[in-house]
Amino acid sequence: DIQMTQSPPVLSASVGDRVTINCKASQNINKNLDWYQQKHGEAPKLLIYYTNNLQTGIPSRFSGSGSGTDYTLTISSLQPEDVATYYCYQYNSGWTFGGGTKLELK
Amino acid sequence: EVQLVESGGGLVQPGRSLKLSCLASGFTFSNYGMNWIRQAPGKGLEWVASISSSSSYIYYADTVKGRFTISRDNAKNTLYLQMTSLRSEDTALYYCARRNYGSYVDWGQGVMVTVSS
Repeated sequence: DIQMTQSPPVLSASVGDRVTINCKASQNINKNLDWYQQKHGEAPKLLIYYTNNLQTGIPSRFSGSGSGTDYTLTISSLQPEDVATYYCYQYNSGWTFGGGTKLELK
Repeated sequence: EVQLVESGGGLVQPGRSLKLSCLASGFTFSNYGMNWIRQAPGKGLEWVASISSSSSYIYYADTVKGRFTISRDNAKNTLYLQMTSLRSEDTALYYCARRNYGSYVDWGQGVMVTVSS
């Protein structure tokens, strides 16, 4: 089974900061990776699909990159409404979520 | 507007069974694969089961294989999850999600399942 390791588990940043969340797969997942945002008390929401494709309606400050085993979600300028937990998810072989990164405001 | 509405959750004793439903609307249900994903209290997301549009392909997480059964009724626009031999570790919020290729494009609000004596 493919394991997905997210870092950091908790991230504290200020409004306007550039924020980076990392996800490392235990083997090559061929860019078959999504990013989901889950705000407190809400269902998750798809942000980025297939590594770097922005889902409809998602602000352009969100972007994704990566290849092989290493992937990154970037928020170019953090907004208060971005406070949430972020999950990476691979569907290359089986289906696995990362452990999540809780993003807080400093 | 896509809507996914889960139901059937509740408090159940260990070893008993429960059947969840997810009523879909706002899209052609029979054209999409569907999934169940769960989240234990205070924990992360866990993929549970997947079913293709015509029920030809069905997959389960190892943690539920042999105990849970995913199914769908395309005439009723409804997805199901039959859960048997429930354990305390199955306690979670269960989401149904519409899949487009590999991605979960729409999610329900979830239904809570609590396994406790």
